[in-house]
Amino acid sequence: DTEVTQTPKHLVMGMTNKKSLKCEQHMGHRAMYWYKQKAKKPPELMFVYSYEKLSINESVPSRFSPECPNSSLLNLHLHALQPEDSALYLCASSQDGTLYGYTFGSGTRLTVV
Amino acid sequence: TQLLEQSPQFLSIQEGENLTVYCNSSSVFSSLQWYRQEPGEGPVLLVTVVTGGEVKKLKRLTFQFGDARKDSSLHITAAQPGDTGLYLCAGPAAGNNRKLIWGLGTSLAVNP
Repeated sequence: DTEVTQTPKHLVMGMTNKKSLKCEQHMGHRAMYWYKQKAKKPPELMFVYSYEKLSINESVPSRFSPECPNSSLLNLHLHALQPEDSALYLCASSQDGTLYGYTFGSGTRLTVV
Repeated sequence: TQLLEQSPQFLSIQEGENLTVYCNSSSVFSSLQWYRQEPGEGPVLLVTVVTGGEVKKLKRLTFQFGDARKDSSLHITAAQPGDTGLYLCAGPAAGNNRKLIWGLGTSLAVNP
């Protein structure tokens, strides 16, 4: 299994809603990442988990809350988002670090209304 | 601050033409990676180059890593409409192997 699976594919939520994005990989990768991407721009790093511990938080607002329940799963909990948070949210994993590249999921297209 | 500069930013060509995309920096990178991304999908890793001077081929795509490990290029021969997408180069941040530095991308359109 060489995939990173993200659910849901699309999500529309109101500014008062609470929702979660899910990511799963079964490649035995020990680093997992959340990225945010706006159209025609490169991905922007949000969080990095290494060996199930949060190792990087790129000063992301607290309305985004990551969770890593085990080595295969990564969640992103969303609460009280703003319309400017609308974007493609990407999960990625890597064997260990960034030297040889990431495997990305297909993303969740989030629209905040 | 490490930066990766990609050029050109946009490219629109006819099927069958050749093209080259560049990824340049003033900093040394331990590796450089190339990704292709289609609309609404995540980036897909095409190749990682690690050794200065390295050349890798992937069908009609040829990737080079500069001798000094500061730059890379992607050459596509006889482009096809299926090559259309956003091409991104990226490299590990110095001193932090959990972060990637990204180029701004090259948006390629191959017209039939």
